Amino acid sequence: GQQLNQSPQSMFIQEGEDVSMNCTSSSIFNTWLWYKQDPGEGPVLLIALYKAGELTSNGRLTAQFGITRKDSFLNISASIPSDVGIYFCAGQGTSYDKVIFGPGTSLSVIP
Amino acid sequence: SAVISQKPSRDICQRGTSLTIQCQVDSQVTMMFWYRQQPGQSLTLIATANQGSEATYESGFVIDKFPISRPNLTFSTLTVSNMSPEDSSIYLCSIQTGDEQYFGPGTRLTVT
Repeated sequence: GQQLNQSPQSMFIQEGEDVSMNCTSSSIFNTWLWYKQDPGEGPVLLIALYKAGELTSNGRLTAQFGITRKDSFLNISASIPSDVGIYFCAGQGTSYDKVIFGPGTSLSVIP
Repeated sequence: SAVISQKPSRDICQRGTSLTIQCQVDSQVTMMFWYRQQPGQSLTLIATANQGSEATYESGFVIDKFPISRPNLTFSTLTVSNMSPEDSSIYLCSIQTGDEQYFGPGTRLTVT
């Protein structure tokens, strides 16, 4: 079945540093979604991408839909302590297809 | 985006008992989903619960263990039946609007 891989699995960074994480798939997706999950909470949608090559920002977050439609990247600039959490990528074929979630990237920010 | 609430937020249950989790949305939605997130893991889809039809279960999940109701366009329930410690997880309801999927806050279940 379809699977997503995320890297890195975890990362520890200093406050103020930029962060980059990516998500790859063996299958093509038409939609890429990035979520953040804080401990004890449900995932919160950060950015949605709909077109190959699309680059979308949400504050300090920027995500790109890969040209091949098999990958996506999330960058966080000037990290702050509240960026701590688990970041999940997710891909979907059509609106009627199941959303596939990656295993997550755990981010820790050292003040 | 819609506001999604779940009840209870957490519970500790004895093995062999059942727990029903409620999901309420503040707007009408056609597509609702139930997910399980085991400790330290990603999200696994249990079933799709569209109003007016029987829930569709993913491989590894069966109706007898996880019966679902979807009586209207704003509400759904998931029951975890005959619980065992392996059912200890976070259970999340989710809705889809357009191409975007949103999640409730989750129900943290511990089975002793």
